[in-house]
Amino acid sequence: GENVEQHPSTLSVQEGDSAVIKCTYSDSASNYFPWYKQELGKRPQLIIDIRSNVGEKKDQRIAVTLNKTAKHFSLHITETQPEDSAVYFCAASMDSSYKLIFGSGTRLLVRP
Amino acid sequence: DTGVSQDPRHKITKRGQNVTFRCDPISEHNRLYWYRQTLGQGPEFLTYFQNEAQLEKSRLLSDRFSAERPKGSFSTLEIQRTEQGDSAMYLCASSLAQNEKLFFGSGTQLSVL
Repeated sequence: GENVEQHPSTLSVQEGDSAVIKCTYSDSASNYFPWYKQELGKRPQLIIDIRSNVGEKKDQRIAVTLNKTAKHFSLHITETQPEDSAVYFCAASMDSSYKLIFGSGTRLLVRP
Repeated sequence: DTGVSQDPRHKITKRGQNVTFRCDPISEHNRLYWYRQTLGQGPEFLTYFQNEAQLEKSRLLSDRFSAERPKGSFSTLEIQRTEQGDSAMYLCASSLAQNEKLFFGSGTQLSVL
């Protein structure tokens, strides 16, 4: 079955710097890759997603890139702010499966 | 509130007791998922419904776990003879179609003493 690896597990950056979180997936049939943000004690919330027919997608300060050949995708946050501090999860799924497989999460701390 | 709602938010029970959780998905969503999340880990898939049909159940799910979605709307997750290892956050999510955006509820935090 699909397996998603995520790193780093923790990331500390200075406010205003960029943050990059990387994920790799095992099943080349995976074609949908969302990213979720989870603040302490709250539900995971979708922040951006990408499908395998595109290589990059941007939404204001957030971007996701996908390398299908290497089977990895990354989340990029620019001009980080303290409110970006949270746990971020990547996930992957494929058309033949109904479920999202999640990475183990990255705890991002943005220092003021 | 038109989001996914779960009840209760917290449940404390003694080992060996049965517990039941409820999830109300976003009204027009026909797909409903149950996930389990332990501290420091990503959500782990448990089971999935399309309308009232349970289409997939994780191999990790023991026979003590059962889920229903009798009318294709709300769903219940029951855990029989709870064990301390069942302590976790149980998350429900719904979506409109396959590989569409998954919206999560706030979860039910289960503590088995």
